[in-house]
Amino acid sequence: NAGVMQNPRHLVRRRGQEARLRCSPMKGHSHVYWYRQLPEEGLKFMVYLQKENIIDESGMPKERFSAEFPKEGPSILRIQQVVRGDSAAYFCASSPQSPGHTDTQYFGPGTRLTVL
Amino acid sequence: RKEVEQDPGPFNVPEGATVAFNCTYSNSASQSFFWYRQDCRKEPKLLMSVYSSGNEDGRFTAQLNRASQYISLLIRDSKLSDSATYLCVVRVRTGGFKTIFGAGTRLFVKA
Repeated sequence: NAGVMQNPRHLVRRRGQEARLRCSPMKGHSHVYWYRQLPEEGLKFMVYLQKENIIDESGMPKERFSAEFPKEGPSILRIQQVVRGDSAAYFCASSPQSPGHTDTQYFGPGTRLTVL
Repeated sequence: RKEVEQDPGPFNVPEGATVAFNCTYSNSASQSFFWYRQDCRKEPKLLMSVYSSGNEDGRFTAQLNRASQYISLLIRDSKLSDSATYLCVVRVRTGGFKTIFGAGTRLFVKA
């Protein structure tokens, strides 16, 4: 039973380019969460999605960032016109059900984005 | 004030030592509590949930004090392999639920 998969594991972009990060949840999981971790800091919630729906995007920057989780295929976190401050590890997590207070989120290995 | 605050660390301890991690949370609507472990450049992994009655898993003991809004993790007889960053995680009811991570406390266990 494959865990949460993320690709690419490492991504290098120049300022102004677009970054696309992909996340395939665990089999049977329909809830996906994206987090960002800056160096030496904790994880910060960005967005929570179910298939074809954004449920909570309160942690997403207002500009340049977008996320989707289509009916078929992985969830995508897109960052347009990247800047150096976007350099971070981006983790995806999935859970099998709505985030009740006891559910467990399973994390993928992360994508490390470096903006030159 | 951060919603979830942890000891800044790092902690440097010899093998066999007992280590205690402290965490406080500010939101009284917090419903559930967890400790995660994160190895260097890896993803966080659930270590244990924290219950009001306290719970133990081998060398690890977690405690929760709702009145003081305080969570702890105790590691006994620490091993070299315990070296990692320990993340305090709180789930807050906000209509739905939101998961908030502390910044983590790094532990180095040395021979």
